[in-house]
Amino acid sequence: QVQLVQSGAEVKKPGASVRLSCKASGYSFNSYDLNWVRQAPGQGLEWLGWMNPNKGTTDYAQKFQGRITMTRIASISTAYMELSSLRSDDTAVYYCARGVLKGGFDNWGQGTPVTVSS
Amino acid sequence: DIQMTQSPSTLSASVGDRITITCRASETINNWLAWYQQKPGKAPKFLIYQASNLESGVPSRFSGSGSGTEFTLTISNLQPDDFATYYCQHYNNYDVTFGQGTKVEMK
Repeated sequence: QVQLVQSGAEVKKPGASVRLSCKASGYSFNSYDLNWVRQAPGQGLEWLGWMNPNKGTTDYAQKFQGRITMTRIASISTAYMELSSLRSDDTAVYYCARGVLKGGFDNWGQGTPVTVSS
Repeated sequence: DIQMTQSPSTLSASVGDRITITCRASETINNWLAWYQQKPGKAPKFLIYQASNLESGVPSRFSGSGSGTEFTLTISNLQPDDFATYYCQHYNNYDVTFGQGTKVEMK
């Protein structure tokens, strides 16, 4: 079955960077876009961007452009999302999610909590 | 950027009720709309795509409708497992936007 397994919780200081991973299994990694979505405590869902694992092309939400980078290592079916210049309002649970052609995100990782605190 | 506005923010209901959640887009979105259910501490669950198509395995008491700028998610015969927060989502080749969410709570 399709699974997205994310890396563990992170605690970072303001100004630092964080790199999260998302390992895919149960499907062809290169065949589906991989999205990243975050959720601040008690808040709604916020899309950060997507990556085409086959081509390595990316599209980032305007809000994060300049401090977000999405990459992948196809040989191990793993996607990465790095967010730099962290601020306290970047504290959130970060999810990876598989995008499907029919529209929407049909499978999600379990989420990675990221805490930014001095 | 397209904005998605859900209403109500909170909905109080009882088991067996029929409920409707509305999602309005700031401009026409050509039915590129999905709905998700999220429970506390869990990842969202994919319910509906292209405004009205039920994802495989989702109970038939869930339905979606609408076009243009106004969309609805209806749950008929609300079950105990349905108390959760629901999000609409617009997607296209360039952008993804979520509504702010509607919490369905027990009356």
